[in-house]
Amino acid sequence: GEDVEQSLFLSVREGDSSVINCTYTDSSSTYLYWYKQEPGAGLQLLTYIFSNMDMKQDQRLTVLLNKKDKHLSLRIADTQTGDSAIYFCAETSSGYSTLTFGKGTMLLVSP
Amino acid sequence: EPEVTQTPSHQVTQMGQEVILRCVPISNHLYFYWYRQILGQKVEFLVSFYNNEISEKSEIFDDQFSVERPDGSNFTLKIRSTKLEDSAMYFCASKKLDPGYTFGSGTRLTVV
Repeated sequence: GEDVEQSLFLSVREGDSSVINCTYTDSSSTYLYWYKQEPGAGLQLLTYIFSNMDMKQDQRLTVLLNKKDKHLSLRIADTQTGDSAIYFCAETSSGYSTLTFGKGTMLLVSP
Repeated sequence: EPEVTQTPSHQVTQMGQEVILRCVPISNHLYFYWYRQILGQKVEFLVSFYNNEISEKSEIFDDQFSVERPDGSNFTLKIRSTKLEDSAMYFCASKKLDPGYTFGSGTRLTVV
C-alpha cells in the first residue's frame, strides 16, 4: 500500500532555516500536504501542493516537490521558537479520497 | 476563520462501554472524515462520509464503529464496546470542493 516516510526529529536554532523532508511511494499522489501539530492540539493545515507544481511559497514556508524522486520538503525560513511542533507530511490521490500520513517530524527550535 | 469543533476534548471510559465522539464540521463542507492517532503512531484513516452515507472505510472501521450525521450539523463516531486498543486521539475533518482538509482539535479517548 501507499507509504509516507519522514525523519523523526530535527533540531535547529532560532533564526536558522529548517528543512523537513518527506518521501512517498504512491505514483498517483495528486495533492501533498504539510500539517502542523502543537502539543495537545489538532492538525493545522499549513499548505498543500498540487502534483503538477514543483514549488509553492507562502510567507516563510517554501514547499518543494520532486515528483520523479517522490520527495517533498518543507522549508521554514527564520525559524522561531513558536514553530516547535510536529510536522506531518500527507498525500492523497484525489482531492476527495483519504489522506495517508507520515509519522511526523518533531521540530525543536532552541533560542 | 471557520473551524471544525470536536467534543469532548478528553473522554475516559471503561472497557466494554459505548462512546460517542461528536464533531461539528464547517457548515458548507460536504465531505466528512474520522481519523485516529494512537500515541506515537501515524494518523490513520477510519471512515469518510458524503451525501449521507459512508463513501470509504478502512480495515480498522469494523462492526464496532458507526458514524452518523443525525441533524445536518453534527457528525458522530460511535464505538459500541470499547477495547483498550481503542485508546487514541480521534480527529474529525471536513472539506468542501477544494483540496484542503480542515481538522478539529481532536478527542483524546482513554479506555481503562
